[in-house]
Amino acid sequence: EAQVTQNPRYLITVTGKKLTVTCSQNMNHEYMSWYRQDPGLGLRQIYYSMNVEVTDKGDVPEGYKVSRKEKRNFPLILESPSPNQTSLYFCASSLWPPGGNQPQHFGDGTRLSIL
Amino acid sequence: SQQGEEDPQALSIQEGENATMNCSYKTSINNLQWYRQNSGRGLVHLILIRSNEREKHSGRLRVTLDTSKKSSSLLITASRAADTASYFCATDETGANNLFFGTGTRLTVIP
Repeated sequence: EAQVTQNPRYLITVTGKKLTVTCSQNMNHEYMSWYRQDPGLGLRQIYYSMNVEVTDKGDVPEGYKVSRKEKRNFPLILESPSPNQTSLYFCASSLWPPGGNQPQHFGDGTRLSIL
Repeated sequence: SQQGEEDPQALSIQEGENATMNCSYKTSINNLQWYRQNSGRGLVHLILIRSNEREKHSGRLRVTLDTSKKSSSLLITASRAADTASYFCATDETGANNLFFGTGTRLTVIP
């Protein structure tokens, strides 16, 4: 089954404790991205990747890191999480980058609470 | 960034009625997409309309695009309780490498 898989689905942690949210897709998609969703603000893009070893900042990259060492994986790293990073996070992928008229495929989301 | 803006923010209708949601945006686009999100879940792609298209249908969904007014509408006909969800438009802007999502319309269909 074609899918985008995120882990964990839920995480409660404390300020400053490094964490990684994994994202994997099995559709051989070139483009992957991370969004955060907050009430009243919709989805905002954190980082995106056009292909392996090619990543770039989205609208709200501060406090986050990403890597794209393999085509299928695109982990989101919070080196020193803070309470303002409490949010619902989504990973998404598409065959081509925006401009290629391709839909985005989303994971089920990761709800992070940082105390 | 130039997010799309959906209108209304919330909509409540009876089962069987039609639901119309609108999206406005500010820049030139390659395409506009509509997504659905059930509570707390990931977004699911519904339909994509290219900038040179004016109307598109998929099952009970009808999407229109007016690039001169920079607006789009999503019509769901003969709504069902299972259509209860949030609906988002996303603009694929010319020259950009990401999609810009609006804040969504929360649709409630009452059985």
